[in-house]
Amino acid sequence: SSELTQDPAVSVALGQTVRITCQGDSLTKYYASWYQQKSGKAPVLVIYGRADRPSGIPDRFSGSSSGNTASLTITGAQAEDEADYYCNSRVDRGGSGEHLVFGGGTKLTVL
Amino acid sequence: QVTLKESGPVLVKPTETLTLTCTVSGLSLRNSRMGVSWIRQPPGKALEWLAYIFSSDAKSYTPSLKSRLSISKDTSISQVVLTMTNVDPGDTATYYCARMRQAVGQYYLDFWGQGTLVTVSS
Repeated sequence: SSELTQDPAVSVALGQTVRITCQGDSLTKYYASWYQQKSGKAPVLVIYGRADRPSGIPDRFSGSSSGNTASLTITGAQAEDEADYYCNSRVDRGGSGEHLVFGGGTKLTVL
Repeated sequence: QVTLKESGPVLVKPTETLTLTCTVSGLSLRNSRMGVSWIRQPPGKALEWLAYIFSSDAKSYTPSLKSRLSISKDTSISQVVLTMTNVDPGDTATYYCARMRQAVGQYYLDFWGQGTLVTVSS
């Protein structure tokens, strides 16, 4: 089982708002980063840090965090946003050091 | 322009050692707060982070595979190498390398290679 939990699938009507969540204990200490992966392609970073977007990512993508839950929100979803979305975070293992972990991914369908 | 490119065998036999190379351009492996991660994705499944190495030579591995993985870098030729010992069919996946940045409170992966599909089969 993953240390970061995501809903397997979410759907949204074209132009509406959707929130994709990621839960895990590490999120109380570290920010999540979010990645969009379209079929057959490499993942693309869409959100990192508190709520930063890399250059070229539309501003309809935003991030937030509360307690052990990080969220990716798409405001006014477009057809091209249909993809798999993964969260990622740093995890501390005390004496065993740290590592990174991905959530199980959320398949977003735009209706 | 930052680019990363994975290379390695397409087919590996069970019990063999897999060696993958990530060649980077447009960035220096000497830059502080910057490193390279390896990630894999079995067909139809989720991403799995495997390992990272920083410019300082700090390294980390995913706990479940730590005994089988080794990561190293050759800064002079801008390459990061991942080796995985004793592979089995469950290691069949697309393997990606990605630039890793360090910021307050997190790491993130801002540039990814295109990935290379490795099949483990006899």
